[in-house]
Amino acid sequence: DIVMTQGVLPNPVPSGESASITCRSSKSLVYKDGKTYLNWFLQRPGQSPQLLTYWMSTRASGVSDRFSGSGSGTYFTLKISRVRAEDAGVYYCQQVREYPLTFGSGTKLEIK
Amino acid sequence: EVQLVETGGGLVQPGKSLKLTCATSGFTFSNAWMDWVRQSPEKQLEWVAQIKDKSNNYATYYAESVKGRFTISRDDSKSSVYLQMNSLKEEDTAIYYCTWEAGDYWGQGVMVTVSS
Repeated sequence: DIVMTQGVLPNPVPSGESASITCRSSKSLVYKDGKTYLNWFLQRPGQSPQLLTYWMSTRASGVSDRFSGSGSGTYFTLKISRVRAEDAGVYYCQQVREYPLTFGSGTKLEIK
Repeated sequence: EVQLVETGGGLVQPGKSLKLTCATSGFTFSNAWMDWVRQSPEKQLEWVAQIKDKSNNYATYYAESVKGRFTISRDDSKSSVYLQMNSLKEEDTAIYYCTWEAGDYWGQGVMVTVSS
């Protein structure tokens, strides 16, 4: 199975600053079509997870352009610009390159 | 509006069975690939199972932790997907979510507690 390892944020992050969340995969997530099969989700307290980006860097419908995904085949970053109170929650990366699909353990973002 | 509504959760003893239902609306279910994802009390997300559409022969995939015990199925006439859970273990205790479109849409989740 592909293991997803997420980094820890130095919380809390001051409102208006930027935050970068990291995720590493034990195997390349680049498929033969050239796409990188990595999703980012945000789970706010008491809510279901929300898809932020897919194919590593494509924002889901309705997601603010303050969220941007980047990376290589095995190392990924979700950058949140000008953080707001509504960005607080737990961020998860997920690989959908191969079965079984696997998630990272989550990175908590707190806003000051 | 897309809706995914999970039902069927509850408290069950170890070794028993439970069947979850996800009723959907607002999209063409017959073309959809559907997944079940669960979240443990420790908040860890775990993908559980996926079922593809008819054009992909309704292919199914499972996490190793549930393979042989859980079965995902669908009824396109009812726009519903199911998760039959047998031989339940305490470690299956979680909120179970139904998802569509590679996680772009999630239900509200249903709690399953396995305890004696």
